[in-house]
Amino acid sequence: GIQVEQSPPDLILQEGANSTLRCNFSDSVNNLQWFHQNPWGQLINLFYIPSGTKQNGRLSATTVATERYSLLYISSSQTTDSGVYFCAVDNTNAGKSTFGDGTTLTVKP
Amino acid sequence: NAGVTQTPKFQVLKTGQSMTLQCAQDMNHEYMSWYRQDPGMGLRLIHYSVGAGITDQGEVPNGYNVSRSTTEDFPLRLLSAAPSQTSVYFCASSYSPTGGSRSNEQFFGPGTRLTVL
Repeated sequence: GIQVEQSPPDLILQEGANSTLRCNFSDSVNNLQWFHQNPWGQLINLFYIPSGTKQNGRLSATTVATERYSLLYISSSQTTDSGVYFCAVDNTNAGKSTFGDGTTLTVKP
Repeated sequence: NAGVTQTPKFQVLKTGQSMTLQCAQDMNHEYMSWYRQDPGMGLRLIHYSVGAGITDQGEVPNGYNVSRSTTEDFPLRLLSAAPSQTSVYFCASSYSPTGGSRSNEQFFGPGTRLTVL
């Protein structure tokens, strides 16, 4: 099956700093999503981005499908950005996502 | 819309007991799936369904059964609970045929935290 690798595994930032999270995948995909898992365990949809670039406030994402990677940018980080960020891909069009192991982000005040 | 709902939120079982985790969605989605998340890891697919009456196995199906008698509901049954099934379980849904360019976006329920003693 498809492999998903996220980097870095852990990231510690001071409030106000910028960061880039990376997701590499081993095969072509139909769907790619970024999620934020908050400290209560809830999975929050950030971006549905099988290709191209999208922005939502301080967050933006870019997927280069031909090169099999996606990037999530967080600018001017806040303590509420802390948590685990997951990349999930699907190459089956059957609602079968494969998740990476996540990047744990800690933003210090 | 309530989105994807899961019950219960927490459950403690003894080894060998059986139970059903409930999942429902009100978004008229065709696809539904169950995942488990173990500490420090991403989610792994247990079972999935592409429509009422159709189910199939995912990456880690052993010890679990599913059925899909309606579009809205997708229960997960633990047949004989084992400590290795201690995990957080997430249900997800996606794909509305009339949903446009984001019709494959997957939405997750709040999860069920299960402990097997």
